[in-house]
Amino acid sequence: GEDVEQSLFLSVREGDSSVINCTYTDSSSTYLYWYKQEPGAGLQLLTYIFSNMDMKQDQRLTVLLNKKDKHLSLRIADTQTGDSAIYFCAEKDQGGKLIFGQGTELSVKP
Amino acid sequence: GAVVSQHPSWVICKSGTSVKIECRSLDFQATTMFWYRQFPKQSLMLMATSNEGSKATYEQGVEKDKFLINHASLTLSTLTVTSAHPEDSSFYICSASDGRVQETQYFGPGTRLLVL
Repeated sequence: GEDVEQSLFLSVREGDSSVINCTYTDSSSTYLYWYKQEPGAGLQLLTYIFSNMDMKQDQRLTVLLNKKDKHLSLRIADTQTGDSAIYFCAEKDQGGKLIFGQGTELSVKP
Repeated sequence: GAVVSQHPSWVICKSGTSVKIECRSLDFQATTMFWYRQFPKQSLMLMATSNEGSKATYEQGVEKDKFLINHASLTLSTLTVTSAHPEDSSFYICSASDGRVQETQYFGPGTRLLVL
């Protein structure tokens, strides 16, 4: 079945860039998403990318998609302490369901 | 835009009682709503998908008689945990899609259920 993998933890210093990586298995995915979850809260949609795109930039966020390697990354420029959260990547499968990775816990140190 | 609310945000109940959780799309009509369950430090597990006016489609391993889902209108879906037991304690999150905007799912803030 489909699978989405992420590294579990990432620690950066305030002001640095953060890069969160994700790999997926379903080559027929049409959309891939990045969500942010703060403690005790639901998921906040950060951005999404269509599978025929290589890159999408939205303010401090840059999404890179390597469809050949089925690799997705989220770069956060000038990371702030308020960016500390768990970040989930997700792919939409052929049935329209979202398949989530395990989540990457981003810790931003001052 | 695209705001989804859940009520209650947390609930504590005794074992054997039933608990109803509401999910509302506040500023759009949700043709499809989804219910997820999340255990601590884990990812989201899809429980069921519901379309307005239709019976919900449950994922494998999810008991439909245990987790009753009703999607009576385009802005409201409810999840009822019947005869709750301590193992049902979890964080329940709903999401809603209007079928447009790349079928993006917008998530509610979640409901934390603790069954004593």
